[in-house]
Amino acid sequence: NAGVTQTPKFRVLKTGQSMTLLCAQDMNHEYMYWYRQDPGMGLRLIHYSVGEGTTAKGEVPDGYNVSRLKKQNFLLGLESAAPSQTSVYFCASSRLGGSYNEQFFGPGTRLTVL
Amino acid sequence: DQQVKQNSPSLSVQEGRISILNCDYTNSMFDYFLWYKKYPAEGPTFLISISSIKDKNEDGRFTVFLNKSAKHLSLHIVPSQPGDSAVYFCAASVWTGGFKTIFGAGTRLFVKA
Repeated sequence: NAGVTQTPKFRVLKTGQSMTLLCAQDMNHEYMYWYRQDPGMGLRLIHYSVGEGTTAKGEVPDGYNVSRLKKQNFLLGLESAAPSQTSVYFCASSRLGGSYNEQFFGPGTRLTVL
Repeated sequence: DQQVKQNSPSLSVQEGRISILNCDYTNSMFDYFLWYKKYPAEGPTFLISISSIKDKNEDGRFTVFLNKSAKHLSLHIVPSQPGDSAVYFCAASVWTGGFKTIFGAGTRLFVKA
């Protein structure tokens, strides 16, 4: 089992460019999440999904869009990247019915917007 | 408004001694509290959790204590090992038709050999 994988690992964008981050999980988890981690801020939830075809906004959704067309994949899109979106992005998944919602994280994508 | 706070950005401990990492929260509705451990260039991994109806949970060298009246929890690592050097995130979850999880900013632990 690969667990949660993220593509790409690193990316540098210019302001205004667009890109898509891909997250895949092979644990048959219902829930998937996208977080960003910034120094001194911890992990902040961008968007999440409770099942295939459903998405919802988290704490910091502005400037991002997501799609969950397949249960195992969760895509995060930046339509027009801004320097404020420079961050490390983590995808996570968790199973339906867990008592405390243990989340399994991918290795992260380091994004720099110039 | 930070609902989960880890006020110590870093902590340095000698190998074999106890490490105590602290976390404060403001929302009394949280159902579960979790600790995650993160090594550089990796994603966080789950370490230990505690239900809001308990005051202690132990797993090997790791023990989490919860003081609901003070809205405070702590993670004790005994004995500390150099491999424990990592960033530790405190997190709190509440069920609102789906789990909402709030993470603290993290504490970087250095265990010196």
